[in-house]
Amino acid sequence: GQNIDQPTEMTATEGAIVQINCTYQTSGFNGLFWYQQHAGEAPTFLSYNVLDGLEEKGRFSSFLSRSKGYSYLLLKELQMKDSASYLCAVRVPGDGANNLFFGTGTRLTVIP
Amino acid sequence: DAMVIQNPRYQVTQFGKPVTLSCSQTLNHNVMYWYQQKSSQAPKLLFHYYDKDFNNEADTPDNFQSRRPNTSFCFLDIRSPGLGDAAMYLCATSHGLRDEQFFGPGTRLTVL
Repeated sequence: GQNIDQPTEMTATEGAIVQINCTYQTSGFNGLFWYQQHAGEAPTFLSYNVLDGLEEKGRFSSFLSRSKGYSYLLLKELQMKDSASYLCAVRVPGDGANNLFFGTGTRLTVIP
Repeated sequence: DAMVIQNPRYQVTQFGKPVTLSCSQTLNHNVMYWYQQKSSQAPKLLFHYYDKDFNNEADTPDNFQSRRPNTSFCFLDIRSPGLGDAAMYLCATSHGLRDEQFFGPGTRLTVL
């Protein structure tokens, strides 16, 4: 099976920085995605890493280490609207398809 | 705006009564996916279409079927819904199997 692990919940203060970790053990690897999902809504794409290193996109950055099976999402200058679940998803190749396997998500609560 | 549309947003059905959920896209993407997401759980891939080629996940129950009559539309048929099928059903699309997936807003299914 494919294992993708994230912390269940995190709390951080408005204006602060928070790092959400994701570790994975999968039968293959063809990229890692981070999605944001507000309660009752669809996931929205945040970032994509396929090579080792840091990808920066405004207030959001994502890091990947393939040798360690590890990624993190860094959120800077936290805003109240950043309260949401953050899903780590690994794309696993196989049988001609690239299937996306999700972690259960990290519920982030931003407090004033 | 190009987008992924799901109808209805909320669907109530009775135990054992067939139900169909629909998804349409204006992105002209080749791949369409159906995910099931239960409360506080990760989205789980049920199946996907690459053009007209149907790919079923090994652990998707036989109770779930899908149709893709053309590029724009994809349907999820649940033949005999059980209480355990109550969930959010997410449709997603991607240009190719290696590309970012765009999600629709989801249909929340309640089974009475």
